[in-house]
Amino acid sequence: DIQMTQSPSSLSASVGDRVTITCRASQSITSYLNWYQQQPGKAPKLLIYAASTLQSGVPSRFSGSESGTDFTLTISSLQPEDFATYYCQQSYSPPLTFGGGTKVEIK
Amino acid sequence: EVHLVESGGGLVQPGRSVRLSCAGSGFTFDDYAMHWVRQAPGKGLEWVSGINWNSGSIDYADSVKGRFTISRDNAKNSLYLQMNSLRTEDTALYYCAKDMGGFVDADGFDMWGQGTMVTVSS
Repeated sequence: DIQMTQSPSSLSASVGDRVTITCRASQSITSYLNWYQQQPGKAPKLLIYAASTLQSGVPSRFSGSESGTDFTLTISSLQPEDFATYYCQQSYSPPLTFGGGTKVEIK
Repeated sequence: EVHLVESGGGLVQPGRSVRLSCAGSGFTFDDYAMHWVRQAPGKGLEWVSGINWNSGSIDYADSVKGRFTISRDNAKNSLYLQMNSLRTEDTALYYCAKDMGGFVDADGFDMWGQGTMVTVSS
C-alpha cells in the first residue's frame, strides 16, 4: 500500500502569511495527488486535484505543486476562513490513502 | 445542485451488522465512481471502499476487507455499504463521496455528504 506522510501535523500562522504544507508519497504516484480542506464539523472539500489543478470555485490563493514524490499545498495569503485541517490523498492505486492531516490555526 | 445524503448509522453491538445507504441527486449517478470514507472521532480521514460506475471494479481498505461490501443501484441513484462483523474500531462518521471520474482510481472526490455516524459498542 502507498503511504502518504504529511507535514507538519499542525501550524500556527497569522492572517496574510504564506503557508506551505508538504505531503510525501512512499512510491511514485505520478500526479495523482489531491488536497482537501476540512473545516470543523463539516465534510471535506476538494481544493486541488491532479497535484496542481484548482477545483472550480476555490480561491486562487491556494496552489499545488509537485517534485517527484513530494507534493506541496501553498496558501499564498492566509485568510481567517482558512482555519481548517488539510489532507492530501493519493488516487494512483487502491487502497486510496490519505495523509495524516495538517491543522492550521490562526495566530 | 449535487447532493449526497447518507443514512443507516446508529448504535450497534460488536459482531453485529449494519447497512449504510447514500442517495445521490443533481448529477448523472451512473457516470461516476463512488466511495465511502470514514473518520473516527478526533481522527483523520480513512478511505474505506470504492466502486466504479458500473460496479465492474471494487476495492477495499485492508482494515475492512472481508467484512464490508460496497454496492450500488444506478436505477435508484444509491450507494450502499454492508458492514458485517463490526468492531469497536469501526466507530466513525461514514461519508459518501462522489468521484470526479468513472473509475475508483485517478481522480479526486468532488462532492461529499454530511456523513452518518456508526457507533460500535456493547
